[in-house]
Amino acid sequence: GAVVSQHPSWVICKSGTSVKIECRSLDFQATTMFWYRQFPKQSLMLMATSNEGSKATYEQGVEKDKFLINHASLTLSTLTVTSAHPEDSSFYICSASSPSNQPQHFGDGTRLSIL
Amino acid sequence: AQSVTQLGSHVSVSEGALVLLRCNYSSSVPPYLFWYVQYPNQGLQLLLKYTTGATLVKGINGFEAEFKKSETSFHLTKPSAHMSDAAEYFCAVTSYGGATNKLIFGTGTLLAVQP
Repeated sequence: GAVVSQHPSWVICKSGTSVKIECRSLDFQATTMFWYRQFPKQSLMLMATSNEGSKATYEQGVEKDKFLINHASLTLSTLTVTSAHPEDSSFYICSASSPSNQPQHFGDGTRLSIL
Repeated sequence: AQSVTQLGSHVSVSEGALVLLRCNYSSSVPPYLFWYVQYPNQGLQLLLKYTTGATLVKGINGFEAEFKKSETSFHLTKPSAHMSDAAEYFCAVTSYGGATNKLIFGTGTLLAVQP
């Protein structure tokens, strides 16, 4: 089946640094990728939708300058948390889909801890 | 607009007992419905989906769900619970009439299986 790889799975860094998370579709071309944030014991909150080659569409309340999303190829999207602070600590999950490969397939998530 | 309501944030069953996780949806267009499972510190894995056609859909690991339009429900069941079924379960809805395939998630149900 479709496989989405997310890297890193766990990252701990100091406040003020920037962190990049990669999301790759390994066996299909993902025309659309999604980035979610999940707080402990809560559901997934959609942060943004990215289509290959175009700017990401951010959900209301999500700071586009804080969470930079790039979807430069059909197999890779990246989320960069800029100048991360402790309140950015969370579980970030990506998913990918294509018109011929619905529904969305999810990565294993990235646990981000900002000290 | 679409929404999903999962009744019961926590469900506990005995091993071998019936599993029933409830999901009700709201949608102004024909819905596409999904159940996902999430194990600790992992992404989401698709259990099953309803798009069109047969209203009783079978998924992986012995789970099934029935789409009932009159009740706007898509409850997840499994005849006999196994210890390995303990996880968080999310119901989700989308409408493929849109271009972005956004998934709207319920708040999740944590399933505990007692020996």
